[in-house]
Amino acid sequence: NAGVTQTPKFQVLKTGQSMTLQCAQDMNHNSMYWYRQDPGMGLRLIYYSASEGTTDKGEVPNGYNVSRLNKREFSLRLESAAPSQTSVYFCASSERGVGGGNEQFFGPGTRLTVL
Amino acid sequence: GENVEQHPSTLSVQEGDSAVIKCTYSDSASNYFPWYKQELGKGPQLIIDIRSNVGEKKDQRIAVTLNKTAKHFSLHITETQPEDSAVYFCAASYNFNKFYFGSGTKLNVKP
Repeated sequence: NAGVTQTPKFQVLKTGQSMTLQCAQDMNHNSMYWYRQDPGMGLRLIYYSASEGTTDKGEVPNGYNVSRLNKREFSLRLESAAPSQTSVYFCASSERGVGGGNEQFFGPGTRLTVL
Repeated sequence: GENVEQHPSTLSVQEGDSAVIKCTYSDSASNYFPWYKQELGKGPQLIIDIRSNVGEKKDQRIAVTLNKTAKHFSLHITETQPEDSAVYFCAASYNFNKFYFGSGTKLNVKP
């Protein structure tokens, strides 16, 4: 049981290049999320997927696209990277619990630098 | 949208003392309030959560209180230990879709 996995762990891009961040979970969760974490700003939601086949914008969606490939996988794409997208990106998954909570399980993160 | 503010940004306590971190939220519709602990180089991990129909919840040395009227909630850690040193985040959500996070508190527990 690996939980939430993300690839790659580190990436350096030049301005204008594109790339896809991969995320997979093996906990059979319905909901998946993409966040970015910048110093002093906490985590900000980019996109989320409440269930397979659905995606919705979060707080900071501009410059990103997502694909919920199947129940396990949720990818984040940067079509034309900009220096402002330099950040640490976290994927998370969750399922509503019996007690009414909703524990999000986070992956280890992808550290992206855009030059 | 929701706005979550978190204070203090850094907190230094002596081992064995208590630590309190406070958050306020703006959207009265928010009904779920989790707290996360993030260690260096890792993703956040849930440590405790509370729903809006409960005023307080406790799990061993950690507790969370919620004041819906004032729209604030707090994390209390008693008998702090060096391994409690980390960055702590509060968050607010309405029906588990969008989650809004505070800016984080770096807790340092001095042995």
